[in-house]
Amino acid sequence: SQQGEEDPQALSIQEGENATMNCSYKTSINNLQWYRQNSGRGLVHLILIRSNEREKHSGRLRVTLDTSKKSSSLLITASRAADTASYFCATDDNTDKLIFGTGTRLQVFP
Amino acid sequence: DAGITQSPRHKVTETGTPVTLRCHQTENHRYMYWYRQDPGHGLRLIHYSYGVKDTDKGEVSDGYSVSRSKTEDFLLTLESATSSQTSVYFCAISGTGGAGQPQHFGDGTRLSIL
Repeated sequence: SQQGEEDPQALSIQEGENATMNCSYKTSINNLQWYRQNSGRGLVHLILIRSNEREKHSGRLRVTLDTSKKSSSLLITASRAADTASYFCATDDNTDKLIFGTGTRLQVFP
Repeated sequence: DAGITQSPRHKVTETGTPVTLRCHQTENHRYMYWYRQDPGHGLRLIHYSYGVKDTDKGEVSDGYSVSRSKTEDFLLTLESATSSQTSVYFCAISGTGGAGQPQHFGDGTRLSIL
């Protein structure tokens, strides 16, 4: 079963706009990660946020975590065509495993 | 990029044949994972390894076996391939288990079973 579920499933925006993706999960976690996947490639790690953190930044990426609501959001500011990809959240379930959501497909139009 | 190589990158085979996929790493990471990715399901864990000869099952392990005789190599075997195992298979590595460290992924093996 999926631990994380992303919302929306698909998102289309223009270059320069901000893109927000949300992730909900079911059980308590230690950490939450976000990944990007370009078409035909493997996943690339973007950012890791720990359960005692509320917000984290990396370049144009901003991740928030609300453990009371069991949710996280990924904000990409000033989107570029190169940001076109699928984005996944992943959490642990207090085991050695990482459980991925089904992803958000982001399309950024020039 | 982390040193992960998956082979083969593409394979077409027939139902009932055995298939072995290989994942090779040069990072000396302890943990190695095999996932499959299908439309509408995201990535699902098949098996993983937490050391040489130490493996455990994931969410979708039926019909698959794994072996890890060396730190750098993790093999995934489909003993008798079925059409439902047509998928894209990804290997990943990590220094620790769970979500404490990032996982680094290979570029996948596209497997078609006719």
